[in-house]
Amino acid sequence: AQTVTQSQPEMSVQEAETVTLSCTYDTSENNYYLFWYKQPPSRQMILVIRQEAYKQQNATENRFSVNFQKAAKSFSLKISDSQLGDTAMYFCAFMNPYTGANSKLTFGKGITLSVRP
Amino acid sequence: DAMVIQNPRYQVTQFGKPVTLSCSQTLNHNVMYWYQQKSSQAPKLLFHYYDKDFNNEADTPDNFQSRRPNTSFCFLDIRSPGLGDAAMYLCATSRAWTGGSANYGYTFGSGTRLTVV
Repeated sequence: AQTVTQSQPEMSVQEAETVTLSCTYDTSENNYYLFWYKQPPSRQMILVIRQEAYKQQNATENRFSVNFQKAAKSFSLKISDSQLGDTAMYFCAFMNPYTGANSKLTFGKGITLSVRP
Repeated sequence: DAMVIQNPRYQVTQFGKPVTLSCSQTLNHNVMYWYQQKSSQAPKLLFHYYDKDFNNEADTPDNFQSRRPNTSFCFLDIRSPGLGDAAMYLCATSRAWTGGSANYGYTFGSGTRLTVV
């Protein structure tokens, strides 16, 4: 079974600065997807960024980028130029859709990020 | 816009009184999921439907049931809610996996917060 570990329960960052959220995972599979989801206080889960394991290039989405280290099973999220609206809970998640129709999203415990004005 | 809609946003029910939460989608996705999320915790998968095929997680209590009458709608029934069932319930959808795709992933609804009194 896959596991996703987010060891930092909380982080705080000053507005406009850069912050990195850590995530490690454990799997014996070679092909899979990794995701970062954001859940603001309004509670809707929003996809921030996705990474396909067979791609060596790190995914980027505007101010959000990942550092994907497949051998180390590490998938960290970097938020540049932090904004107040980035305050939220962030979940790292793993999925292997290659297993078929019953693929499931496995979440880490999440990290609460606070952006200070 | 195509989306996943959950109703109601907030639901209060009495201890032991059956309650139904609903989810609808306009994305025409094959797969629909129900997650339970307790305060500041990771979402926990209860079950999912792949088309009409129901897939229950091994540790989902019998108190939780689901129905999917058509592609667009999925319901979560809690037969006899207990205080421990108070949580946010998240519905999510995804299309069936058909091979490598940069856009593969889940779409979440806004959730229903259930209070048991």
